[in-house]
Amino acid sequence: AQSVTQLDSQVPVFEEAPVELRCNYSSSVSVYLFWYVQYPNQGLQLLLKYLSGSTLVESINGFEAEFNKSQTSFHLRKPSVHISDTAEYFCAVRTSNTGKLIFGQGTTLQVKP
Amino acid sequence: DVKVTQSSRYLVKRTGEKVFLECVQDMDHENMFWYRQDPGLGLRLIYFSYDVKMKEKGDIPEGYSVSREKKERFSLILESASTNQTSMYLCASSLWGSGRASYEQYFGPGTRLTVT
Repeated sequence: AQSVTQLDSQVPVFEEAPVELRCNYSSSVSVYLFWYVQYPNQGLQLLLKYLSGSTLVESINGFEAEFNKSQTSFHLRKPSVHISDTAEYFCAVRTSNTGKLIFGQGTTLQVKP
Repeated sequence: DVKVTQSSRYLVKRTGEKVFLECVQDMDHENMFWYRQDPGLGLRLIYFSYDVKMKEKGDIPEGYSVSREKKERFSLILESASTNQTSMYLCASSLWGSGRASYEQYFGPGTRLTVT
């Protein structure tokens, strides 16, 4: 069975500092990996995804994530965060033979001035 | 622009009431999903539907049922609401199939349900 573990429930950082949100998954088949973001009082939005090809994927607002098959990880990073990045971030995995997503527990990123 | 709407942002119901949560998407997507979001537990799949009148149980279907009479609308029903069903409910939709376009799920804004 597939599962996703987000290792930190809360990550407090100061504005302009770098951040890493960790995500590990377990699966015996090929996977597709996603990071979703949920801003306060909103639904989830896709931030970035890994389907195939380059293991480093980027979003339009400066986040990046690297697929590491040997470590079964898909950590999310940003070199310099802004106050507006304060949100909850969810890692998710989709197996190649089903349309369902399995989500991690979520990580709350709190950016302080 | 892609849009998934949910009938209510906030809902307060009493124990034992029958509750309907409605979700509508305008993208002609085949797949629709209902999730429950609780702190520390992430999103858990309640039910999903891959076609009109078709449904499949997710990970936590107990106490819930669903209805999909039209392609664009997917309803979640709490037959007899209980306090442990107090939660945020999120609806999502996606294309059907194995093509890359089917991989992304689009989410509604959520309904925060409180059962007292």
